[in-house]
Amino acid sequence: QPVLAQSSSASASLGSSVKLTCTLSSGHNSYIIAWHQQQPGKAPRYLMKLEDSGTYDKGSGVPDRFSGSRSGADRHLTISNLQFEDEAVYYCETWNSDTHRVFGGGTKLTVL
Amino acid sequence: EVQLVESGGGLVQPGGSLRLSCAASGFTFSSYSMNWVRQAPGQGLEWVSYISSSGSSTIYYADSVKGRFTISRDNAKNSLYLQMNSLRVEDTAVYYCARDRYGDYAVDIWGQGTMVTVSS
Repeated sequence: QPVLAQSSSASASLGSSVKLTCTLSSGHNSYIIAWHQQQPGKAPRYLMKLEDSGTYDKGSGVPDRFSGSRSGADRHLTISNLQFEDEAVYYCETWNSDTHRVFGGGTKLTVL
Repeated sequence: EVQLVESGGGLVQPGGSLRLSCAASGFTFSSYSMNWVRQAPGQGLEWVSYISSSGSSTIYYADSVKGRFTISRDNAKNSLYLQMNSLRVEDTAVYYCARDRYGDYAVDIWGQGTMVTVSS
């Protein structure tokens, strides 16, 4: 069953871009994932589903500033033109036949 | 508007029971598989349980709750449930009701959550 590894924290300046990474464990390079955002004190929000091909399908109302990509076992969430409201914890999610559903530990993004 | 509203959380003693409910609106509930996901204070997201759209064909549980929690749904009432028995202190968390994408996995709609506190 796949494990999802995420850095615990990241930071970037207002108006800049940041790329967050979710790494699939060995042997699970082809897994599809989803990205979720959780702003402080709020419920999570679905951002996008990222296919193995690297194409992504965003949720309703998700700004164009959010995009996804992949490289090998890494799945990326890129946020451009960072805004203060992007300060949040970002989780990746995947699914499999054994444990069914797995979430990464989350990356806390700070906008400087 | 697509919406999921949880209820039923509260304070319960270790070993006790609680039943969570999730009321769905704004979409055809019977067409979507559903999940419960929880978040302990200051921690990340932990998937708890999954039920297919029909309710009878496919159900999964996380190992941490298997044998103690039971997921169910009533498509006529647009409602999802989680019966939690033999509760432990480590079950303390916000419990989210979460909808999967149509015909797919990946949560695409989250409820606002309901807090469950297990303490003596």
